[in-house]
Amino acid sequence: DVKVTQSSRYLVKRTGEKVFLECVQDMDHENMFWYRQDPGLGLRLIYFSYDVKMKEKGDIPEGYSVSREKKERFSLILESASTNQTSMYLCASSSAGNHQETQYFGPGTRLLVL
Amino acid sequence: EDKVVQSPLSLVVHEGDTVTLNCSYEVTNFRSLLWYKQEKKAPTFLFMLTSSGIEKKSGRLSSILDKKELFSILNITATQTGDSAVYLCAATYNNNDMRFGAGTRLTVKP
Repeated sequence: DVKVTQSSRYLVKRTGEKVFLECVQDMDHENMFWYRQDPGLGLRLIYFSYDVKMKEKGDIPEGYSVSREKKERFSLILESASTNQTSMYLCASSSAGNHQETQYFGPGTRLLVL
Repeated sequence: EDKVVQSPLSLVVHEGDTVTLNCSYEVTNFRSLLWYKQEKKAPTFLFMLTSSGIEKKSGRLSSILDKKELFSILNITATQTGDSAVYLCAATYNNNDMRFGAGTRLTVKP
């Protein structure tokens, strides 16, 4: 049974703070993804990674960075949090393929930036 | 434990067939049921359902929610090869929690 876990369910941060969101998967998946979910906008891809130390920008990478030092862990970093980054953040993983492999989602982290 | 279960996990049909994808949920303080189509990277939104018995339609796709039996179905009529994708459902619950199912992989053959 695939398990994708995210370090926090809820976070409250102040504008300008550095924020780390951690995601860990236990299925030896090559691909990992970070999305944000906002009302009316659906899921939007921030960054993804095909392998350790590899990263690619998604549709909305501005204001974010990522780190993939180990295969099972994919971190999303907000260098200087802003109020427009208040959102639900979802991590997903999938096995290597042509992007049509099923993505398994974590429970999400709801971030509030004050 | 809150959970969302989709069935079948995979499905292979031929063009022109009609398919029904299932999504059942057990969550606390249910709010809505969402359907997505995932082809390449980010899943694309299809439907949001909040009320029982009201069918939502978009072209050949339709969906309905049964809040008594805790499930939703996604129907696709006259399938085309372009419908091949992974279809995800997700339940939102409590204030802002969200849980996805594992998805149904649909393959439509010419």
